[in-house]
Amino acid sequence: KNQVEQSPQSLIILEGKNCTLQCNYTVSPFSNLRWYKQDTGRGPVSLTIMTFSENTKSNGRYTATLDADTKQSSLHITASQLSDSASYICVVIPSGNTPLVFGKGTRLSVIA
Amino acid sequence: KAGVTQTPRYLIKTRGQQVTLSCSPISGHRSVSWYQQTPGQGLQFLFEYFSETQRNKGNFPGRFSGRQFSNSRSEMNVSTLELGDSALYLCASTPQWQGEYGYTFGSGTRLTVV
Repeated sequence: KNQVEQSPQSLIILEGKNCTLQCNYTVSPFSNLRWYKQDTGRGPVSLTIMTFSENTKSNGRYTATLDADTKQSSLHITASQLSDSASYICVVIPSGNTPLVFGKGTRLSVIA
Repeated sequence: KAGVTQTPRYLIKTRGQQVTLSCSPISGHRSVSWYQQTPGQGLQFLFEYFSETQRNKGNFPGRFSGRQFSNSRSEMNVSTLELGDSALYLCASTPQWQGEYGYTFGSGTRLTVV
């Protein structure tokens, strides 16, 4: 069964600190893996996208890594800001005629 | 370039009623998919349409239905509403089938069933 597990479920960090969010998946084969940021009450916004052959992708202070052998991905946030407070969702897009598989997200709170 | 537009943004309905939600994709995008998001379950896939045809369907009861028009706009209908249908309903569009080019989400419709 295609599944995406994210950890931790929630996280509180001080402004300016770094953090890493984890995503483990069992989807195979897959087309690409994406990290989305979702503010409360809004739709998810894409942060990074990686194909199975890519190891890392950066978008400003966000860096995603992918290990296709262990089926793990991580999202590293550098020098966190208050505006980083949101849910971060890992999404795996399978190959073939199968819908997206979502993780349940990590709720990040950045405090001053 | 306009994003994905969902209307209405908020909706309050009574148990037993039906509701229709609308989604206008990004111009040129031919695929529209729908998702239900609740605090406990996260995002769950409802269905995906491409060129007016339903290409995939999630594990939801038949009370949930949808359609896509020739201009790629899509509607989702929920009949005989239940309290558990209260959720944020999101739609996403992508240029082609399979989402290789990425999905863009709308801001969602917050449905509350009382």
